[in-house]
Amino acid sequence: DAKTTQPPSMDCAEGRAANLPCNHSTISGNEYVYWYRQIHSQGPQYIIHGLKNNETNEMASLIITEDRKSSTLILPHATLRDTAVYYCIVNMGRETSGSRLTFGEGTQLTVNP
Amino acid sequence: NAGVMQNPRHLVRRRGQEARLRCSPMKGHSHVYWYRQLPEEGLKFMVYLQKENIIDESGMPKERFSAEFPKEGPSILRIQQVVRGDSAAYFCASSPTFSGELFFGEGSRLTVL
Repeated sequence: DAKTTQPPSMDCAEGRAANLPCNHSTISGNEYVYWYRQIHSQGPQYIIHGLKNNETNEMASLIITEDRKSSTLILPHATLRDTAVYYCIVNMGRETSGSRLTFGEGTQLTVNP
Repeated sequence: NAGVMQNPRHLVRRRGQEARLRCSPMKGHSHVYWYRQLPEEGLKFMVYLQKENIIDESGMPKERFSAEFPKEGPSILRIQQVVRGDSAAYFCASSPTFSGELFFGEGSRLTVL
């Protein structure tokens, strides 16, 4: 699976949009981009994923560049409860080996009041 | 539909004892993953199982650790003769397919005295 690069930390004001970048320049054509977050010591939480088109759900939006070498997770109106470590993961699920997600260091997002 | 259930949430063992961690996947999910998170470190993949089969155990230590996912009942992660270095949070995740959208439990925190 391709390696990802994320800034170690970011700050965001409550109510503003949080834009979390991720570089994955070695991504292959059939690999998806997944975003997860881990709030304090809780279990990781799936946020969103995409292949090449932009995606939106009730939690966030995912913008993937046309060359697929980078992406941005957008939390449109960050709240204090969005403070967490956010992980960008590139993965291609395989029937023979499942989806062995590789969690890197992630980005510690701190939402300030 | 209940989420992924892990128990016990907290477990204390003395060196040399055995630890058994249980994971009940979400209803309808036949894919189970175990991850370990050492203190102040990231999540590391341990093992991927489907019903009655170990598909990928490349992340699991060769000795003292074993996992199973029987036809009936929860998945079990077993650690024999625990050592202090086994102290960690162990997370289970499940999925209905081999895609990367995993649903994680709240984890089992093992402390070895």
